[in-house]
Amino acid sequence: DQQVKQNSPSLSVQEGRISILNCDYTNSMFDYFLWYKKYPAEGPTFLISISSIKDKNEDGRFTVFLNKSAKHLSLHIVPSQPGDSAVYFCAASGPHFNKFYFGSGTKLNVKP
Amino acid sequence: GAGVSQSPSNKVTEKGKDVELRCDPISGHTALYWYRQSLGQGLEFLIYFQGNSAPDKSGLPSDRFSAERTGGSVSTLTIQRTQQEDSAVYLCASSFSQGSYEQYFGPGTRLTVT
Repeated sequence: DQQVKQNSPSLSVQEGRISILNCDYTNSMFDYFLWYKKYPAEGPTFLISISSIKDKNEDGRFTVFLNKSAKHLSLHIVPSQPGDSAVYFCAASGPHFNKFYFGSGTKLNVKP
Repeated sequence: GAGVSQSPSNKVTEKGKDVELRCDPISGHTALYWYRQSLGQGLEFLIYFQGNSAPDKSGLPSDRFSAERTGGSVSTLTIQRTQQEDSAVYLCASSFSQGSYEQYFGPGTRLTVT
């Protein structure tokens, strides 16, 4: 039973445009959400996070939005760059950070 | 500084054999996590260590899987009597403490059971 779902396995975007990656979760007890980026043959690297007490967190070109009532979060990348091409995972955790639930990932391709 | 390292990077083994996967976390990181990623799937939580103790083993798929961590540093994940469904990339991550949400991942060990 997957508690974190990324329903789009892939996304293709033109350079300079906005990339929007979506994630849904089922457990209302989750209170911390993260996005990781993964290049081939490397481990995931932390990108951005958001606490459940917020609805938006911004870091440069990356913004994460959280809609608790819909149990939905999204990652916006603007403007998208070819170097952003990677697999993006969303993850969720309870308050003690002892267990993280990951989605299956969305492969983003940013075309030059 | 050095990141999380894992060895071996690739392991091919015959069904029924035992394998040991090793993780060296970032120095000073007290929390350590093991995940596995099967083909086309997300990261599946296996086990979490805080120091040398593993308060949460709920993710281990069967009793063929075990893990230990000694000296609060290196961890080994052992899979006994490997099965073909154990084929996956096994990822290790560490974080500064249990209360830290940012995990640093190693490059993974790709295990293939033939």
